[in-house]
Amino acid sequence: DQQVKQNSPSLSVQEGRISILNCDYTNSMFDYFLWYKKYPAEGPTFLISISSIKDKNEDGRFTVFLNKSAKHLSLHIVPSQPGDSAVYFCAARAQGGSEKLVFGKGTKLTVNP
Amino acid sequence: SAVISQKPSRDICQRGTSLTIQCQVDSQVTMMFWYRQQPGQSLTLIATANQGSEATYESGFVIDKFPISRPNLTFSTLTVSNMSPEDSSIYLCSVEGLILDTQYFGPGTRLTVL
Repeated sequence: DQQVKQNSPSLSVQEGRISILNCDYTNSMFDYFLWYKKYPAEGPTFLISISSIKDKNEDGRFTVFLNKSAKHLSLHIVPSQPGDSAVYFCAARAQGGSEKLVFGKGTKLTVNP
Repeated sequence: SAVISQKPSRDICQRGTSLTIQCQVDSQVTMMFWYRQQPGQSLTLIATANQGSEATYESGFVIDKFPISRPNLTFSTLTVSNMSPEDSSIYLCSVEGLILDTQYFGPGTRLTVL
């Protein structure tokens, strides 16, 4: 039973346009959400996070939106650059002190020049 | 952020053998984590390793199959025992991040079992 779902295995956008990556979750105990970026042959790299007390967090070109009622979050990349081409993983952590992260299967983003 | 290295980066092994994966961090950390990413799947936590105590395994993972050592605050090993083709995965170690509630990951070990 997947608690964190990324329903789009892949996404292709043009350079300069907006990339929107989506993530849904089922566990209402999740209170902290993270996005990781992974290049081939490298480990995942932390990108941005959001606490459940917020609905938006912004860091440069990256913005994460959280809709708790819909159990949905999204990562917006504006403007998209070819170097953003990677696999993006959504992850969540449940309240209660556990360090365990639950990951989605990832979305492969391709930004075309 | 912490610099994490893993050895080996990749290996091809025969069924029934064991492989030990090493994870080295450039700073002292309390908690280290071992994940598995099977082909086309998400990262799944195998166990949490704290220095000086037994590793805590997630449901579906057992110590006999994935023994873990944590001899000090900068090093850990994961052994994949009695391997079968189903163990073919990328194995990653991670550590707690300086940013609260984040984790930093090593580059991973790509294991293929024939």
